[in-house]
Amino acid sequence: DVKVTQSSRYLVKRTGEKVFLECVQDMDHENMFWYRQDPGLGLRLIYFSYDVKMKEKGDIPEGYSVSREKKERFSLILESASTNQTSMYLCASSEGPRNSPLHFGNGTRLTVT
Amino acid sequence: DAKTTQPPSMDCAEGRAANLPCNHSTISGNEYVYWYRQIHSQGPQYIIHGLKNNETNEMASLIITEDRKSSTLILPHATLRDTAVYYCIVIAGSRLTFGEGTQLTVNP
Repeated sequence: DVKVTQSSRYLVKRTGEKVFLECVQDMDHENMFWYRQDPGLGLRLIYFSYDVKMKEKGDIPEGYSVSREKKERFSLILESASTNQTSMYLCASSEGPRNSPLHFGNGTRLTVT
Repeated sequence: DAKTTQPPSMDCAEGRAANLPCNHSTISGNEYVYWYRQIHSQGPQYIIHGLKNNETNEMASLIITEDRKSSTLILPHATLRDTAVYYCIVIAGSRLTFGEGTQLTVNP
């Protein structure tokens, strides 16, 4: 079974802090994704990556950046956390072919105070 | 990507089949139909996907109409652990966009 592991289940940070959310997958998948999930808005794509050192903006990239130095690891960075970034963050991975299904981690619930 | 329409909630008795509908009338020829579900406080779980033909796996069956404008996810023998939000998504690539889905409640 594919395993996507997010480093923290719950995180509380202060406004203005730099925040790192880490995600690791163990199935040698090419593609990795970061989503956020908010009530009434569904899941929204922040950034994704099709290869090491490659990244593309999703639908809501503002206020975020990402890093993919190794194939199995995809990091989401909040340069200066704000209260409107309080959310559930979900990482996912998929195999190379474009229509391969996504496999999700269990999420990190981030609260910015 | 095509927009999908799902009922906000459904109920099903334990042991019975759960049939979850999805309308995607603007689907284009190269777009797949995906189904995911999300159990409370967990990440979404992939269930099944298809293009034109009906599909079946160990979790569910997917019935796609001949004109591809709607589909139905069937859980043949629903259990209490199938209570979750079910998402129908239509897409040609990997950029999945999730709507609000259907809250399925399986009752004892």
